Amino acid sequence: GQNIDQPTEMTATEGAIVQINCTYQTSGFNGLFWYQQHAGEAPTFLSYNVLDGLEEKGRFSSFLSRSKGYSYLLLKELQMKDSASYLCAVGDSNYQLIWGAGTKLIIKP
Amino acid sequence: ETGVTQTPRHLVMGMTNKKSLKCEQHLGHNAMYWYKQSAKKPLELMFVYNFKEQTENNSVPSRFSPECPNSSHLFLHLHTLQPEDSALYLCASGKIEVYNEQFFGPGTRLTVL
Repeated sequence: GQNIDQPTEMTATEGAIVQINCTYQTSGFNGLFWYQQHAGEAPTFLSYNVLDGLEEKGRFSSFLSRSKGYSYLLLKELQMKDSASYLCAVGDSNYQLIWGAGTKLIIKP
Repeated sequence: ETGVTQTPRHLVMGMTNKKSLKCEQHLGHNAMYWYKQSAKKPLELMFVYNFKEQTENNSVPSRFSPECPNSSHLFLHLHTLQPEDSALYLCASGKIEVYNEQFFGPGTRLTVL
């Protein structure tokens, strides 16, 4: 079967760094996506990794290891507005997205 | 403004009602999607339309009926729903040629009594 695992909830302090992990088992692989979803709002695209390694985009970075079926999203210099759910999704062999349940990130002052 | 709009934003309906959800995208995309999002569960892909043709129906019950009259509009017709169908219904659009991003609407929060 296809499976995406990520922690249900994480807590971090404003100004700190947090890493949100995602592991996956899918039929085929056509890239890994991270989306951010604030409560009551639409998910918004953060990053896309299709090759191994680290992709940096401002305060956010995303890492992929295809051999390990593993990715993480790294958030630096946390701000209160980063409190949201972070969704990991993998493109399968049919180019459809398989989604994780999301990680709710709580930022404390 | 994401360029994808959905109406209504909130809907409460009885199990015998018939209602429709509407999605409209202003991004020139050629693929549109319906997702169901339940609390603490992964997004569930329901339907996919590429160039107005349905290409995916993930074993969705027949009480959900999609319609895509053109590449900018997508509907989800609802009838005789069950309380377990209560969820956030999200519409998304994208370009088939540029696979790596989907743009989501704000969703319709549906409650079935």
